[in-house]
Amino acid sequence: SQQGEEDPQALSIQEGENATMNCSYKTSINNLQWYRQNSGRGLVHLILIRSNEREKHSGRLRVTLDTSKKSSSLLITASRAADTASYFCATDPGGGSNYKLTFGKGTLLTVNP
Amino acid sequence: DVKVTQSSRYLVKRTGEKVFLECVQDMDHENMFWYRQDPGLGLRLIYFSYDVKMKEKGDIPEGYSVSREKKERFSLILESASTNQTSMYLCASSWYRVQETQYFGPGTRLLVL
Repeated sequence: SQQGEEDPQALSIQEGENATMNCSYKTSINNLQWYRQNSGRGLVHLILIRSNEREKHSGRLRVTLDTSKKSSSLLITASRAADTASYFCATDPGGGSNYKLTFGKGTLLTVNP
Repeated sequence: DVKVTQSSRYLVKRTGEKVFLECVQDMDHENMFWYRQDPGLGLRLIYFSYDVKMKEKGDIPEGYSVSREKKERFSLILESASTNQTSMYLCASSWYRVQETQYFGPGTRLLVL
């Protein structure tokens, strides 16, 4: 079953604008990760945020985590055409689970030049 | 850099054929995973392995088997391919804890006729 759900399903912006994607999940987590997938390729890990962290930065990426709302957001600043891809959140539910990193269905981001 | 390679990018097989998909990682990772990715369904875990010769079923193991004879290599086997196994297959690996960052291969797009 899907734990993380990304929102929106699709997002189209102009180059230079910021892009914000959200992920909501249902149960408590140990960590939450964001991945990028270019069309027809494998996923690439972007950032991992642990349940005791609230915000993390990596270059033009900013990830926030609100465990009280069970949600996370990924902000890409000053977007480029090369940022066009699908973005997935993945949650580590912790607890008794010993392997399941559960992926959402993704947000398709299109950055228009 | 971690490198995960998959034996084929594209594969066309006939219904009933036995199909082998191979994945190799070069970072001595303990864990390896096979996912399939379908439009609207996201990534679904088929099987994973946490050690040589060890395997665990994922969400959708029916119709598949796996083999891990060496640490760096994880094979997915479709015993008798069916058209509903047409999909993108993604292999991934991770270090010690299975919920940590996963490194993905480029994917194999399989078409079963």
